[in-house]
Amino acid sequence: AQKITQTQPGMFVQEKEAVTLDCTYDTSDPSYGLFWYKQPSSGEMIFLIYQGSYDQQNATEGRYSLNFQKARKSANLVISASQLGDSAMYFCAMREGGRTGGFKTIFGAGTRLFVKA
Amino acid sequence: DSGVTQTPKHLITATGQRVTLRCSPRSGDLSVYWYQQSLDQGLQFLIQYYNGEERAKGNILERFSAQQFPDLHSELNLSSLELGDSALYFCASSPRTSFSSYEQYFGPGTRLTVT
Repeated sequence: AQKITQTQPGMFVQEKEAVTLDCTYDTSDPSYGLFWYKQPSSGEMIFLIYQGSYDQQNATEGRYSLNFQKARKSANLVISASQLGDSAMYFCAMREGGRTGGFKTIFGAGTRLFVKA
Repeated sequence: DSGVTQTPKHLITATGQRVTLRCSPRSGDLSVYWYQQSLDQGLQFLIQYYNGEERAKGNILERFSAQQFPDLHSELNLSSLELGDSALYFCASSPRTSFSSYEQYFGPGTRLTVT
């Protein structure tokens, strides 16, 4: 069965330092996509970064990079140079599907990141 | 602002009642997704529609139903409401139903409180 595991309920990081948020996944489908979303206290869901299962290189988007280790089924998010505005809940998600032309996305439980000044 | 609108923003109702949540996708987006976020269940995918047709189903209860109309807006109907249905309901849209379509834009959500 599809599964996403985020083992860190909460993380603290000093401003300007880098932080890694862990995510492992489980799927038997060779084709899938991995995503990270940010949810600030205001509640909206903000897309951060995407990694396809066949992508050879790790995805990067500005200060965000995804450390994709396919054999280990891990997709950790690395935030460099943390800012106070990075304090939020972060969700790892996996998308599978396509047989009926539709796509299911499952989410991990989330990691709450606190950035200290 | 993602361009996805959801109404109402807040909804308070009693157990046993029925409510309808509405979502307007971004202009031109054909695909609509519904999600439920609750404290105990986390974020769960409910259902996806593409150009009026149901395309994928997740953990959607039989008491819940959805549809997408010709103008592409979507409604999520929740009936025989229970306390456990209290949650934040998100709608998201994307231009197409594409595997790598990470352009899934989330609306601000509707917070449902069942008393």
